[in-house]
Amino acid sequence: SAVISQKPSRDICQRGTSLTIQCQVDSQVTMMFWYRQQPGQSLTLIATANQGSEATYESGFVIDKFPISRPNLTFSTLTVSNMSPEDSSIYLCSGRLAVSTDTQYFGPGTRLTVL
Amino acid sequence: GENVEQHPSTLSVQEGDSAVIKCTYSDSASNYFPWYKQELGKRPQLIIDIRSNVGEKKDQRIAVTLNKTAKHFSLHITETQPEDSAVYFCASNAGGTSYGKLTFGQGTILTVHP
Repeated sequence: SAVISQKPSRDICQRGTSLTIQCQVDSQVTMMFWYRQQPGQSLTLIATANQGSEATYESGFVIDKFPISRPNLTFSTLTVSNMSPEDSSIYLCSGRLAVSTDTQYFGPGTRLTVL
Repeated sequence: GENVEQHPSTLSVQEGDSAVIKCTYSDSASNYFPWYKQELGKRPQLIIDIRSNVGEKKDQRIAVTLNKTAKHFSLHITETQPEDSAVYFCASNAGGTSYGKLTFGQGTILTVHP
């Protein structure tokens, strides 16, 4: 399995500001993903973080709002831009270890509250 | 896109009873079906998974069954214990292995009463 960490673990932000969430994996992963989990809800995929190229976004999510970077195989960032209270949620990253396996491991999540 | 439906949304059982959670999926290209357990304030933890070339998989008290024809899969927990209380999510890999992304069901809140 992979050990995945995220920073910060939680934050309270003001409307209109931006927050960058970091995700670090202890081993090289082929694919990294960012999910959003609103309170009491399921996980929704935001995007696939591609190493060295633009992320692949799911329907309803755009790069201007959720810019993502992945400079190497073990690190990715997600920025939540121009935040509003509707962005209050838990943001989770996940990693998939090998091309031959679909298994994904999740980070502990970042709990974001926007006032 | 892929749609994963999960039932029931809540499930309450007595300790020692069995619990069954069911999911259906829509994308015939899906070939991997994991189950995650999420305790309050914690990350989702993979508890068991199954690939489409297998009909059933068991790990101690937990088993998963898959019916490809009907596009549904189920989680079975036997001899439930209070520590099994959590939210359980099913998922499928929409589009198959090459895409890698998971689509999750809505979740089932399982409560095991001592």
